[in-house]
Amino acid sequence: KNEVEQSPQNLTAQEGEFITINCSYSVGISALHWLQQHPGGGIVSLFMLSSGKKKHGRLIATINIQEKHSSLHITASHPRDSAVYICAVGRSATNKLIFGTGTLLAVQP
Amino acid sequence: GAVVSQHPSWVICKSGTSVKIECRSLDFQATTMFWYRQFPKQSLMLMATSNEGSKATYEQGVEKDKFLINHASLTLSTLTVTSAHPEDSSFYICSASPSGRAVRDQYFGPGTRLLVL
Repeated sequence: KNEVEQSPQNLTAQEGEFITINCSYSVGISALHWLQQHPGGGIVSLFMLSSGKKKHGRLIATINIQEKHSSLHITASHPRDSAVYICAVGRSATNKLIFGTGTLLAVQP
Repeated sequence: GAVVSQHPSWVICKSGTSVKIECRSLDFQATTMFWYRQFPKQSLMLMATSNEGSKATYEQGVEKDKFLINHASLTLSTLTVTSAHPEDSSFYICSASPSGRAVRDQYFGPGTRLLVL
């Protein structure tokens, strides 16, 4: 079992829909990152959080430390949101990041 | 703030040549930088941790003589792939941790795609 699990692996949505991507982890962490990767493109840091909730534009990230779970929400989704979304956690002991396998999101117009 | 750049963004080279990739923190100093590699349809994997002024720490299975890392200043780390072979073709990504902050605070560069022919 992977130490960082994301769900779903693939997600297709219609433009305007509310989207949720989930991340569960099994190790003690110091922080959790949400990253965005466009096809053939680089990595964009979306959020880094260790507790609570953060919001940036149409994106919201939450984390529940007790349940070892985080969610990334996209409101009013748009085709330009189509990308791979990656959850990564920093181990408490080493701060080294462990990455999930990513969620491929396709938002159709 | 907290912008990390990588250069080049794309590189194609012949087998046997060496390729240098730069990672720069543009608006902050970074005592620690990390180098990752991503093969197609796979997760990012940590290759090494680069500390300014000292030797890099490599992850198990990563050849230090093949992937030379130099972190000579607080804003620049370089990764040199020596005698590159087609199996080294991959997406290389760096991240930087601002000096004085927890190492968990990492900001990612856009990545460098390497194709070895």
